[in-house]
Amino acid sequence: GAVVSQHPSWVICKSGTSVKIECRSLDFQATTMFWYRQFPKQSLMLMATSNEGSKATYEQGVEKDKFLINHASLTLSTLTVTSAHPEDSSFYICSASRGPGNEQFFGPGTRLTVL
Amino acid sequence: RKEVEQDPGPFNVPEGATVAFNCTYSNSASQSFFWYRQDCRKEPKLLMSVYSSGNEDGRFTAQLNRASQYISLLIRDSKLSDSATYLCVGTSGSARQLTFGSGTQLTVLP
Repeated sequence: GAVVSQHPSWVICKSGTSVKIECRSLDFQATTMFWYRQFPKQSLMLMATSNEGSKATYEQGVEKDKFLINHASLTLSTLTVTSAHPEDSSFYICSASRGPGNEQFFGPGTRLTVL
Repeated sequence: RKEVEQDPGPFNVPEGATVAFNCTYSNSASQSFFWYRQDCRKEPKLLMSVYSSGNEDGRFTAQLNRASQYISLLIRDSKLSDSATYLCVGTSGSARQLTFGSGTQLTVLP
């Protein structure tokens, strides 16, 4: 199979703090990883696409300085929400694929609540 | 206009019923299409791919009409375990980024 894990599964933090979310492909090498955000009753919205060893490509409207993405290895990508505010509270989901055009395997998601 | 549009529902159907979901997409350059299901507070899981020739997997049938930019999913003999949100998804771009519809909520009632 193709298993993707995320850590933490949920996090509550105070406004102004930074939160790091990890996404790991456990049994395959993920050349490409994607980060999505899902607000309640809404669809998943792609935030950014990252290829191992390269800078992430951010979707329009997503602030790259606020959502820092690092994809330093073929099995790990991290998303850091800097200076989080209540409006950043959301369900953050990563996915990983063996390369462009390959099936994406989703992590279980991280529920972020900013107080 | 959203790139992928779905009827949000909710659809409440009795066990054993047949239910159909529809989806339209606006990006004619979209390359591939899928149906995912998402359970409450969980990640989406791939249900099936969608082809112009149709795709059937057990009780599930998906169809793509490129001329009309229309996608459908038919669930026959619905089970309680089919209760979920069904997401219509298209791909585009060099990395085959997924564009998700907002989902259609299905509840199968005993």
